[in-house]
Amino acid sequence: AQKITQTQPGMFVQEKEAVTLDCTYDTSDQSYGLFWYKQPSSGEMIFLIYQGSYDEQNATEGRYSLNFQKARKSANLVISASQLGDSAMYFCAMRSGTGNQFYFGTGTSLTVIP
Amino acid sequence: EPEVTQTPSHQVTQMGQEVILRCVPISNHLYFYWYRQILGQKVEFLVSFYNNEISEKSEIFDDQFSVERPDGSNFTLKIRSTKLEDSAMYFCATLAPPAGFFGQGTRLTVV
Repeated sequence: AQKITQTQPGMFVQEKEAVTLDCTYDTSDQSYGLFWYKQPSSGEMIFLIYQGSYDEQNATEGRYSLNFQKARKSANLVISASQLGDSAMYFCAMRSGTGNQFYFGTGTSLTVIP
Repeated sequence: EPEVTQTPSHQVTQMGQEVILRCVPISNHLYFYWYRQILGQKVEFLVSFYNNEISEKSEIFDDQFSVERPDGSNFTLKIRSTKLEDSAMYFCATLAPPAGFFGQGTRLTVV
């Protein structure tokens, strides 16, 4: 069975600081993909970053990077230089190579403090 | 321009009424999904659709739900007889490898 765990229900970060949002996953598949999504208060689900299980380098997209530790089955999202607009709910998700659906964690609510 | 567009953005319906939620992907994506998120709760999988047929569905996706891709572009979710507990945000998603794109959601309120 596939499972995503986000253990931080809420996080606070000072503006311009970096923050790490934790995500661990469980799968017996060798091929899988890991995703992070941002959900602002308006409700839409915004794709941020993707990491494939066979990717040797950590994914980066602008201020977002994914700290992928395959042996520990973790895929933490790092947001550098936090901005007020980063305040939102963040979801980690996984899609395995043999399956189809995206499995979501319970999310982390990030608040950026000015 | 978003990869996935959903309409309507918000729908209010009376209990027992049928609703159709619509999704338009911008390009030829292969997989389509419907998810729902009850306010403040986790994102739940409903159904996936591939090659014009359902490939996977959850326990939530019972006989009250159906999906169609009537004209090869639009992708619809129909709820035949809505219940109060169907009130949620409904997301359409598509897989454009490697990324998975979600629409902006339809907020369904059943009264």
